Amino acid sequence: AQSVTQPDIHITVSEGASLELRCNYSYGATPYLFWYVQSPGQGLQLLLKYFSGDTLVQGIKGFEAEFKRSQSSFNLRKPSVHWSDAAEYFCAVGARSNYQLIWGAGTKLIIKP
Amino acid sequence: GAGVSQTPSNKVTEKGKYVELRCDPISGHTALYWYRQSLGQGPEFLIYFQGTGAADDSGLPNDRFFAVRPEGSVSTLKIQRTERGDSAVYLCASSLTSNTGELFFGEGSRLTVL
Repeated sequence: AQSVTQPDIHITVSEGASLELRCNYSYGATPYLFWYVQSPGQGLQLLLKYFSGDTLVQGIKGFEAEFKRSQSSFNLRKPSVHWSDAAEYFCAVGARSNYQLIWGAGTKLIIKP
Repeated sequence: GAGVSQTPSNKVTEKGKYVELRCDPISGHTALYWYRQSLGQGPEFLIYFQGTGAADDSGLPNDRFFAVRPEGSVSTLKIQRTERGDSAVYLCASSLTSNTGELFFGEGSRLTVL
């Protein structure tokens, strides 16, 4: 079955510390992978996407993610978090076409001052 | 408009009532999507429009759910005979085409069925 697992429901990180959010997927075909962020009172916003090529992709707001086919993972990283990064982060996988994306349940990021 | 607009932002209704949720996509975006997000879960695909036609409605849970996009812009999601299990946030998204890899989401319409 096709699925996306985000093992951490909540993560708390101190401001200025590094961050890694985990995403594992199960998908029958070549996966196209996405990370979206949902801030309070705002719609979901695309952080980055992986279609092919370099397995380390750069996104907006200083985020990056690495595709590891052998581990079926697409973890999101940021070297130094800011208080404004507090939000919920969603990993999604699908075909290149946008619809029918399969989404993880999300990880809520809490920033400690 | 500048972004995807959804109305109402909140809707409380009674079981058995009819509900309409509206989505105004980004101007010029031909692809429009409806998703449903229940508490503690990621979005769940409902339906996808390319222009005026529903290219894929396989995510609609049953025949109480219906969506239209008559002029290829604004879309309305219609739910008949609402049930408590329909309570969720209904998200609308649009994109320039269906293959850009980026969806632009509205803030959602929170539906509560009492």
